[in-house]
Amino acid sequence: DAMVIQNPRYQVTQFGKPVTLSCSQTLNHNVMYWYQQKSSQAPKLLFHYYDKDFNNEADTPDNFQSRRPNTSFCFLDIRSPGLGDAAMYLCATSRDKGYGNEQFFGPGTRLTVL
Amino acid sequence: RKEVEQDPGPFNVPEGATVAFNCTYSNSASQSFFWYRQDCRKEPKLLMSVYSSGNEDGRFTAQLNRASQYISLLIRDSKLSDSATYLCVVRNTGGFKTIFGAGTRLFVKA
Repeated sequence: DAMVIQNPRYQVTQFGKPVTLSCSQTLNHNVMYWYQQKSSQAPKLLFHYYDKDFNNEADTPDNFQSRRPNTSFCFLDIRSPGLGDAAMYLCATSRDKGYGNEQFFGPGTRLTVL
Repeated sequence: RKEVEQDPGPFNVPEGATVAFNCTYSNSASQSFFWYRQDCRKEPKLLMSVYSSGNEDGRFTAQLNRASQYISLLIRDSKLSDSATYLCVVRNTGGFKTIFGAGTRLFVKA
């Protein structure tokens, strides 16, 4: 089945120790998104790739970076995780932009910062 | 004011009840609207898109009121399995900026 896959599902890191989260998709969608969701809050868009074009949200901290080496894969790098970065990180894809084009989410990676 | 606002609930309803959620959005240029469902500690899953003419999928009906800038979700004949958080999602013109509401929690009890 076509899907969005995230690895690992659970990640524990130490304060200040870089961590990379992985997302892959078999949907062949053009757009890939990264969201941060904290407990009882709405998912918050960090950035997205439209094909190879990277688009950062204005309020996304510099501590968060992303790479998309090919259509299928997208990575989220947290350079120096703080305690406030503990959250669920959700990857999503959509076929394109514009009307309709709903987003499909991966199962998420739950990040714990010690 | 938040761009997308929802009543956080929780809504506690018995099985078989009809329940309605509303969601308001502030950007009149918003283009696309969706309802997602999110179970505890799981990813959001698309429940339905919301069209100007309104749309229905089984027990679920979604409506859009552009003049008043709100969308609604009606669930008829509630099931225990409907217990979840329902997220209202709005996408602006241009198609990328997606704003999620904080969600409305629903508990359906036997």
